Amino acid sequence: EAGVAQSPRYKIIEKRQSVAFWCNPISGHATLYWYQQILGQGPKLLIQFQNNGVVDDSQLPKDRFSAERLKGVDSTLKIQPAKLEDSAVYLCASRGTSGRGNEQYFGPGTRLTVT
Amino acid sequence: AQSVTQLGSHVSVSEGALVLLRCNYSSSVPPYLFWYVQYPNQGLQLLLKYTSAATLVKGINGFEAEFKKSETSFHLTKPSAHMSDAAEYFCAVRGQGAQKLVFGQGTRLTINP
Repeated sequence: EAGVAQSPRYKIIEKRQSVAFWCNPISGHATLYWYQQILGQGPKLLIQFQNNGVVDDSQLPKDRFSAERLKGVDSTLKIQPAKLEDSAVYLCASRGTSGRGNEQYFGPGTRLTVT
Repeated sequence: AQSVTQLGSHVSVSEGALVLLRCNYSSSVPPYLFWYVQYPNQGLQLLLKYTSAATLVKGINGFEAEFKKSETSFHLTKPSAHMSDAAEYFCAVRGQGAQKLVFGQGTRLTINP
């Protein structure tokens, strides 16, 4: 079974520029997550989708971050404009149908450096 | 609300020695608990999970963890460390019925030859 795909793997931009990340979850997985992992810290949830609807975006900085999952499959996360503190790894994860303790599967991440 | 504290941001052991990574949780409801491993430039991979069945959970690569409700702990152990175990390890908690994982800050494991 193919895993969660993310692109690009690395991105370097200057502050105030915009950037977009793409995620393709495991086939059939209805739930999709975007996490931000700052160096030396654990991943922090930015947004959670159930199909194409938002379940939780309470920690998404909505003044500069946006995300969409229009057809309930692929998702994009955008930052506009980027700040230095946005330098981090952005992880996408997906999860299948509900069940006891079923886990999230993570992609390899996109490492963003803002200069 | 759930939270996780990992004691020690960096643990160093000799090859063949016992690995012990500590995790304490806080949860207002019976939790699900997870250990993930992250190798350099890779995503997170699930090592093992506790879902209120057996308190001693066995995972991949020889790792296991024991859920101790009285101590609110879920420490990760491996009897004999291997060089390939060098990585970052994350403990995470999720309340039953919730979907959101809350991660600890991670512990970097170094294996000395």
